[in-house]
Amino acid sequence: KAGVTQTPRYLIKTRGQQVTLSCSPISGHRSVSWYQQTPGQGLQFLFEYFSETQRNKGNFPGRFSGRQFSNSRSEMNVSTLELGDSALYLCASSLSVAPGETQYFGPGTRLLVL
Amino acid sequence: AQSVTQPDIHITVSEGASLELRCNYSYGATPYLFWYVQSPGQGLQLLLKYFSGDTLVQGIKGFEAEFKRSQSSFNLRKPSVHWSDAAEYFCAVGAVTGGGNKLTFGTGTQLKVEL
Repeated sequence: KAGVTQTPRYLIKTRGQQVTLSCSPISGHRSVSWYQQTPGQGLQFLFEYFSETQRNKGNFPGRFSGRQFSNSRSEMNVSTLELGDSALYLCASSLSVAPGETQYFGPGTRLLVL
Repeated sequence: AQSVTQPDIHITVSEGASLELRCNYSYGATPYLFWYVQSPGQGLQLLLKYFSGDTLVQGIKGFEAEFKRSQSSFNLRKPSVHWSDAAEYFCAVGAVTGGGNKLTFGTGTQLKVEL
């Protein structure tokens, strides 16, 4: 079974631009979560989607948004990019949003904001 | 609010030596507990997880972890480290009720293996 795929793998943007990252979950998984990883803040939860609905949201500004499609694929969008948005963005999929459900992570999208 | 502490930022061990990575958590009850490993340029791979039952959990790649309620700890161990184990290791907790499936991660422990 194919794992979680994320596109693109690398991205360079400039301040003020916006960016869209894509995540395809493992086949049959209906939940997708997004995490931001930076050297300073570590791994931080962004949001979680299940059945096209956002079920949980982390403490990030409104510039960070996401959505999930009927095929469970998910996208996250960051508008008005700031230098501090440079990070590895990780997507994880799971069968459901039930507590303790194992999350399987993709390789991440590395975003550099100049 | 749940939190995770990994006291050791860096650990260096010799190949073939034993390994123990420390993890302490803060949560109102027994949470779901996870250990993930991240190799350079890669995503996170699950090593093992615990919620209930036997407090010694076996995982992949020869790793095991022991849950100690009295110490709020979930330390990861391996009897004999291989050079390929060099990576960053993350302990994480998940809520038991409500809050969906969000994971709260520790800051990670970078493992270096000396040949």
